[in-house]
Amino acid sequence: DGGITQSPKYLFRKEGQNVTLSCEQNLNHDAMYWYRQDPGQGLRLIYYSQIVNDFQKGDIAEGYSVSREKKESFPLTVTSAQKNPTAFYLCASSISAKNIQYFGAGTRLSVL
Amino acid sequence: KQEVTQIPAALSVPEGENLVLNCSFTDSAIYNLQWFRQDPGKGLTSLLLIQSSQREQTSGRLNASLDKSSGRSTLYIAASQPGDSATYLCAVSHSSYKLIFGSGTRLLVRP
Repeated sequence: DGGITQSPKYLFRKEGQNVTLSCEQNLNHDAMYWYRQDPGQGLRLIYYSQIVNDFQKGDIAEGYSVSREKKESFPLTVTSAQKNPTAFYLCASSISAKNIQYFGAGTRLSVL
Repeated sequence: KQEVTQIPAALSVPEGENLVLNCSFTDSAIYNLQWFRQDPGKGLTSLLLIQSSQREQTSGRLNASLDKSSGRSTLYIAASQPGDSATYLCAVSHSSYKLIFGSGTRLLVRP
């Protein structure tokens, strides 16, 4: 089955802790994205990557970091510098940056 | 700065009714516009993509129109069904990578 897999579905972070959200795709897409969604709001772009070993900041990159070492994987780390991390995080990918984005099922992050 | 607004924020209709969801944007220099569906606690599913040179796109009971000059798009759902209940999001793209989202319209179709 082709698609985008995000894990875990639910994640809890303790004060001062870094946590990493996984995003894997087997669609052979070049471009990958991370979005944050807060209740009742649209999505905001955190980071995106158009190609392996390259990524750019989106609108709300502060407190987050990413890597793109493999085409199929784009993990997002929520660092302790992100003071309000509670949100729904969505990963997406597209054939290229000009095409429709396909989304994973999301990870809900909460603070203990 | 581009702003995307969706009205109404929530809508409740009886089954079988035809309905229109609205999306407006402040900067008409867009690359394309997309409509997405989001079920509670789930990811987004792309419904329709309209390029800036197009006026409308159709898929089954869905029809999306685009009027760039007035900064508006509508999503028309014909013969609504309870299974259509979800949040509908529109998003515009200026450059080739970045989507700017509205906050969505939460639709409930009552049996």
